[in-house]
Amino acid sequence: DAKTTQPPSMDCAEGRAANLPCNHSTISGNEYVYWYRQIHSQGPQYIIHGLKNNETNEMASLIITEDRKSSTLILPHATLRDTAVYYCIATNQGGKLIFGQGTELSVKP
Amino acid sequence: DAGVIQSPRHEVTEMGQEVTLRCKPISGHNSLFWYRQTMMRGLELLIYFNNNVPIDDSGMPEDRFSAKMPNASFSTLKIQPSEPRDSAVYFCASSIDLTTNEKLFFGSGTQLSVL
Repeated sequence: DAKTTQPPSMDCAEGRAANLPCNHSTISGNEYVYWYRQIHSQGPQYIIHGLKNNETNEMASLIITEDRKSSTLILPHATLRDTAVYYCIATNQGGKLIFGQGTELSVKP
Repeated sequence: DAGVIQSPRHEVTEMGQEVTLRCKPISGHNSLFWYRQTMMRGLELLIYFNNNVPIDDSGMPEDRFSAKMPNASFSTLKIQPSEPRDSAVYFCASSIDLTTNEKLFFGSGTQLSVL
């Protein structure tokens, strides 16, 4: 599985868009990019995933660069409840999920 | 659906005692995973099952750890004997099948403290 690199922490103002970057320069052609988040004291929660096209669901948008070496998770209107650790993982479909250290996002009033 | 159910929510035990953690996956899910989370090591995959069969146990730290899945609706993770360094939050997760292993549904975890 490709290694991913994320900033350890980020702040975002409530109501603004939160843009969380992830580098995965060694990603292979059949590896997807997955995003999970973990709110304090809870289990991780699936957010979104993509291969090469941009994806959007009710939680977030995922923008993957054309060379697939990096991606950005966008929370369009962050709320205090979005404060969590966000994990970016690159793996094959059916592959194991190996979590890194993630980005600790703090949404501030 | 109630989601993945883990019990107990909290467990405090003394070093040397046997500890059994329990997990009920989402009905209809055929893959089950055990993870451990600590501040130092983050989230670690311990073992996963598909159709009740262990597929990969390479993350199990040592022989003191064992996991079973006697049927599709129940799994246990046992530590015998327990040690203080086993203190962690243990998460169970399930997915529909091996082809969707990357889309996991996690339980609320068991906070284990070994004194």
